[in-house]
Amino acid sequence: KQEVTQIPAALSVPEGENLVLNCSFTDSAIYNLQWFRQDPGKGLTSLLLIQSSQREQTSGRLNASLDKSSGRSTLYIAASQPGDSATYLCAVKGYGQNFVFGPGTRLSVLP
Amino acid sequence: EPEVTQTPSHQVTQMGQEVILRCVPISNHLYFYWYRQILGQKVEFLVSFYNNEISEKSEIFDDQFSVERPDGSNFTLKIRSTKLEDSAMYFCASSGDTGDTQYFGPGTRLTVL
Repeated sequence: KQEVTQIPAALSVPEGENLVLNCSFTDSAIYNLQWFRQDPGKGLTSLLLIQSSQREQTSGRLNASLDKSSGRSTLYIAASQPGDSATYLCAVKGYGQNFVFGPGTRLSVLP
Repeated sequence: EPEVTQTPSHQVTQMGQEVILRCVPISNHLYFYWYRQILGQKVEFLVSFYNNEISEKSEIFDDQFSVERPDGSNFTLKIRSTKLEDSAMYFCASSGDTGDTQYFGPGTRLTVL
């Protein structure tokens, strides 16, 4: 059964810092991995999707990498801004239909 | 930009009552999903739906749950006899293909009293 963990659970950084969020999964037989952002009391916003054959994806200040063999993905946020404050969720999709979500990293970017 | 919509945003019900949560997926998407998130816990998969039938369901999705696509636009989740532990945020999602990005709606907060 796939298990997804994320570290750290919470992170507080000053504005402008570059930061890395980590996601680990136990079963490397994945179809893809998706990073989401969740604001308090809101839905999930898709940030990046990495297929199992890919090593990384970039969108603006965000870069996500995938190392399937070691069961890890990282989300790199460059030049963080207060508007980046949210919970970041990693979700792994096996060869079925469903995503298995991690518990999230709660990010606070201080002005 | 197309988006997934859900109604109502908040539903309060008495234990034992039936509720129907509604979703309008993105119009050209073929795969539909329901997830739930109990307060303070992980997002959990409930069910996926393709070609007018359930393609996968989790152990959470027992006989009290059902899904339906009653017309060309709506996708519903019915909980037949709600329990206190059904209180959660319920998210609908859709994707164009099984390997594509899943787009989530804003959620329905269900409170069972």
